[in-house]
Amino acid sequence: RKEVEQDPGPFNVPEGATVAFNCTYSNSASQSFFWYRQDCRKEPKLLMSVYSSGNEDGRFTAQLNRASQYISLLIRDSKLSDSATYLCVVNGGKSTFGDGTTLTVKP
Amino acid sequence: DVKVTQSSRYLVKRTGEKVFLECVQDMDHENMFWYRQDPGLGLRLIYFSYDVKMKEKGDIPEGYSVSREKKERFSLILESASTNQTSMYLCASSPGTGGYEQYFGPGTRLTVT
Repeated sequence: RKEVEQDPGPFNVPEGATVAFNCTYSNSASQSFFWYRQDCRKEPKLLMSVYSSGNEDGRFTAQLNRASQYISLLIRDSKLSDSATYLCVVNGGKSTFGDGTTLTVKP
Repeated sequence: DVKVTQSSRYLVKRTGEKVFLECVQDMDHENMFWYRQDPGLGLRLIYFSYDVKMKEKGDIPEGYSVSREKKERFSLILESASTNQTSMYLCASSPGTGGYEQYFGPGTRLTVT
């Protein structure tokens, strides 16, 4: 079993839709969590950190559920420009990246 | 803004050649990392360094070595390139230890023929 698992998708949604991704992790001692966005043939870029209390940045909301060991990313009112691969990162002494979930937003 | 730069965007080398990939960061970050990214396999950590002249093996160090002589520069070396090392190589840096976010360079797409 992988340390960090994501549904690879692809998720194909219409503009304006709400979409949610989950990421499960196996190391219960993990301490920090992030979501990255990676566009095709580009490097990953930090989207947002994930805090125990949850955090929101515009249309994006990240949540952490320590009891069930998963983090989530919710995107509301999807835009065409949200099309990308979303990677979750879990730090438990070292950073472990998920393989990513691909999102395609269609007109 | 943090800037991480890599010496080449695209590189084509022949089997058996020695290959140097260089990475420079301008934010005085302690930690630097080398990953490779392949379709279906995600990002895999090759080596990382948490201080000058310090290095630690990642998940797939075989066939690679690294050098960190200065804090801002972290080099990845393929001693004898092989076709299975054809990949996208990504360098990253982060400030200190304890689970900080990582900042990536633009990547080097290496093809070994």
